[in-house]
Amino acid sequence: NAGVTQTPKFRILKIGQSMTLQCTQDMNHNYMYWYRQDPGMGLKLIYYSVGAGITDKGEVPNGYNVSRSTTEDFPLRLELAAPSQTSVYFCASSYSIFDRDQPQHFGDGTRLSIL
Amino acid sequence: QKEVEQNSGPLSVPEGAIASLNCTYSDRGSQSFFWYRQYSGKSPELIMSIYSNGDKEDGRFTAQLNKASQYVSLLIRDSQPSDSATYLCAAPGGYNKLIFGAGTRLAVHP
Repeated sequence: NAGVTQTPKFRILKIGQSMTLQCTQDMNHNYMYWYRQDPGMGLKLIYYSVGAGITDKGEVPNGYNVSRSTTEDFPLRLELAAPSQTSVYFCASSYSIFDRDQPQHFGDGTRLSIL
Repeated sequence: QKEVEQNSGPLSVPEGAIASLNCTYSDRGSQSFFWYRQYSGKSPELIMSIYSNGDKEDGRFTAQLNKASQYVSLLIRDSQPSDSATYLCAAPGGYNKLIFGAGTRLAVHP
């Protein structure tokens, strides 16, 4: 039972490079989310999706792009990496936030450093 | 702007004591609240959800909700060193979205 899978787990980028963080889920959830978590802080929503082909901005979308071509996959793209994007990135999926047992399922995270 | 606020801590308690973690929220219409535990370097895991005013108990954990005061808390009885983690409070923040507080770091010392 894989749940939410994120790759890579760790990555170091140089300023100005680009990369895609991968996220896939096998629970057939319509809702998917990308968060970033800076040291000592909570989770900030970057982008979310309510289904294939539909995405929208969260609190901190600048510098990122997403796409949702399938129900399973929700990749996050960094086009011009900046030191301010050094963070831990979590992908999550959801059937409904009113699911009392598990409103959101989280991946293990991607630790990204921009140098 | 809907907000969820927590004291960042650290909250330090001796082993066996009761740890009390607090959270306030701005949206009076919120109906559900969640407590997540996050160990260092790991992803958040849900430990409690609460929907009704009053207390909800699950083992050593008790969640308390007071909608009139817009206040939700988590009590951990008989705290263990393994409870040392960051505890995140979350509330609905729009259509099927959650807003997370900054988290309270709990340290349980032997």
